[in-house]
Amino acid sequence: GAGVSQSPRYKVAKRGQDVALRCDPISGHVSLFWYQQALGQGPEFLTYFQNEAQLDKSGLPSDRFFAERPEGSVSTLKIQRTQQEDSAVYLCASSFMLGTAGELFFGEGSRLTVL
Amino acid sequence: AQRVTQPEKLLSVFKGAPVELKCNYSYSGSPELFWYVQYSRQRLQLLLRHISRESIKGFTADLNKGETSFHLKKPFAQEEDSAMYYCALSYYQGGKLIFGQGTELSVKP
Repeated sequence: GAGVSQSPRYKVAKRGQDVALRCDPISGHVSLFWYQQALGQGPEFLTYFQNEAQLDKSGLPSDRFFAERPEGSVSTLKIQRTQQEDSAVYLCASSFMLGTAGELFFGEGSRLTVL
Repeated sequence: AQRVTQPEKLLSVFKGAPVELKCNYSYSGSPELFWYVQYSRQRLQLLLRHISRESIKGFTADLNKGETSFHLKKPFAQEEDSAMYYCALSYYQGGKLIFGQGTELSVKP
C-alpha cells in the first residue's frame, strides 16, 4: 500500500456512543502504535503492538479504551461510552523494526468529535 | 518522569535567516532523540534522529547530554520549511515515543 491508512478520517459521536477506529499499517511492519493528539498538543502515546501482542498499553486513559490487532496486521482502537474529553485526533503509526528502533510511519489520523 | 519540552509554540523568521527550534528533555539515562515534522495537510514524518548524525533538508541537531537539549538548527530558512516541528524521545525500544508540544515554524518571504 501507499502508506498507513486510517478510517474513518472524521467521526462525530454523541456522548455515550461507542466508536471504532481502524488502522491499516504498511504491509510487513511488525510494530504498530496508537497516539492521541488533542488540539494544540503533541501526540500522546496510547498503546504499542508487536505483531499481535500488545506489549504496552500504559497510555490508555481509561478502561473505556481498548485496542486490538488480532492477526498482527490491521488494528482497531475502540472507545466505549465516549466523553467530550475524548475529542482528539487519533494517530496510528507503524514501523518495520521493533519498537522505536526504526522510523515510525504515521497515518493521516482519525479526527473524533464528541458532542 | 520522562518529558520533552519545546518552549516556543510559534517561531517566525524571515527567509534566509537562521533558525533554532529548542528542545529540552528530562531523562537520566541515554535517550534516543528525534525530530518529526508535519507540513500543511501532510502526515507526521521523521525529519532526523540523533544517532544518524545526518543533515536533512539543511537541518541539523546535536544531542547535548550536559544541557539535556536537542535543538534543531538551520543556517538559512526557506519558505518551504514552514511546518509544525515535534521533538521526541525514546528511552527504550518498547515503543513509547514521547513527544513535545510542538513548535510552529513560519518562514516569511
